[in-house]
Amino acid sequence: AQRVTQPEKLLSVFKGAPVELKCNYSYSGSPELFWYVQYSRQRLQLLLRHISRESIKGFTADLNKGETSFHLKKPFAQEEDSAMYYCALETGANNLFFGTGTRLTVIP
Amino acid sequence: SAVISQKPSRDICQRGTSLTIQCQVDSQVTMMFWYRQQPGQSLTLIATANQGSEATYESGFVIDKFPISRPNLTFSTLTVSNMSPEDSSIYLCSVDGGQRSSYNEQFFGPGTRLTVL
Repeated sequence: AQRVTQPEKLLSVFKGAPVELKCNYSYSGSPELFWYVQYSRQRLQLLLRHISRESIKGFTADLNKGETSFHLKKPFAQEEDSAMYYCALETGANNLFFGTGTRLTVIP
Repeated sequence: SAVISQKPSRDICQRGTSLTIQCQVDSQVTMMFWYRQQPGQSLTLIATANQGSEATYESGFVIDKFPISRPNLTFSTLTVSNMSPEDSSIYLCSVDGGQRSSYNEQFFGPGTRLTVL
């Protein structure tokens, strides 16, 4: 069965410090992974997806099939990055399985 | 991105009653999804709503408890039936990105916060 694990419920970093939000997955098929973000009082929205290998708002995420990980990274955190971040695994037919989320707080 | 609205935005309901949540999209979409997010938990897919056919429910969710309608390509409803306090959650509607997205991105509505007393 598929599973998405985000081990940290809360993560606090200082502004300008690097940040890494961890995500591990378990899936027997070929994984398609996403990071979704929810800023305060806003709806859930897509941040980035592994297949596009893009950098959004300074964030990147590399799919490591050997470690079954898809960690989200940013070299220099900004205050506006404070939000709830969800790692999600697509298993086909647009079915998304979400991790439990990590609340990131960037301290000024 | 798609513009998705949900009604109501929040409600407080009595045990044993039912609530219907509406989801409206600004353009036609193939697939619409309903998720639940219980307090402190992650989002869990309840069902996929397809126009012209019965909704597809995920394990642990049944049509009698969560009947879904999809009368056209821009609208869907989710009913939470015979509610109990355990149904207190945020219910979210999402749609597939279709041509607006190169990949299988989903766009989410603002959610409906339900509290059952």
